[in-house]
Amino acid sequence: DARVTQTPRHKVTEMGQEVTMRCQPILGHNTVFWYRQTMMQGLELLAYFRNRAPLDDSGMPKDRFSAEMPDATLATLKIQPSEPRDSAVYFCASGGEGEATEAFFGQGTRLTVV
Amino acid sequence: GQSLEQPSEVTAVEGAIVQINCTYQTSGFYGLSWYQQHDGGAPTFLSYNGLDGLEETGRFSSFLSRSDSYGYLLLQELQMKDSASYFCALYGSARQLTFGSGTQLTVLP
Repeated sequence: DARVTQTPRHKVTEMGQEVTMRCQPILGHNTVFWYRQTMMQGLELLAYFRNRAPLDDSGMPKDRFSAEMPDATLATLKIQPSEPRDSAVYFCASGGEGEATEAFFGQGTRLTVV
Repeated sequence: GQSLEQPSEVTAVEGAIVQINCTYQTSGFYGLSWYQQHDGGAPTFLSYNGLDGLEETGRFSSFLSRSDSYGYLLLQELQMKDSASYFCALYGSARQLTFGSGTQLTVLP
């Protein structure tokens, strides 16, 4: 069945290390969103792509975060260097053509930076 | 930018009806969506209002009033499994999907 796949599901890393999170959107979906969820900030939009082109990444700390879509089947979110305040659940979601009347979320990557 | 406000918590009893309100500010948008998220899970889509008025999907209904910058989610015949967080979200004119802070619904027996 069609679903958004995120890897890894869990990641524990030390402060200063590079972290790469991956997302496979649903085949045929042309919009991809990256969100960060914490208790304090809720669901924050970090970046989003349409037809693989970045539309807005103003929600990301530019000095350490980067988001890319090297091809239509893969989106990546990278943190370098990671910090304890980056600990959160990171969600990827994809949507189809036209109005995003429904965004499908992956199961998320739970990141812990120690 | 876009911003949405919703109550942080709502409590109701099984079988009751509950309404979760959402007010928003935006410079332009296509529609208002609602998502459900259980603890430890991912948000899942519930409904979308592209036009003013009421949309009904089973026990859930959603309403939008563009003139009032307001929408709500109505849950009827509440069940224990409806205990979750509920988010309103704006699909903006720049095709961004911005979420409110979420409402934690607790259904009591």
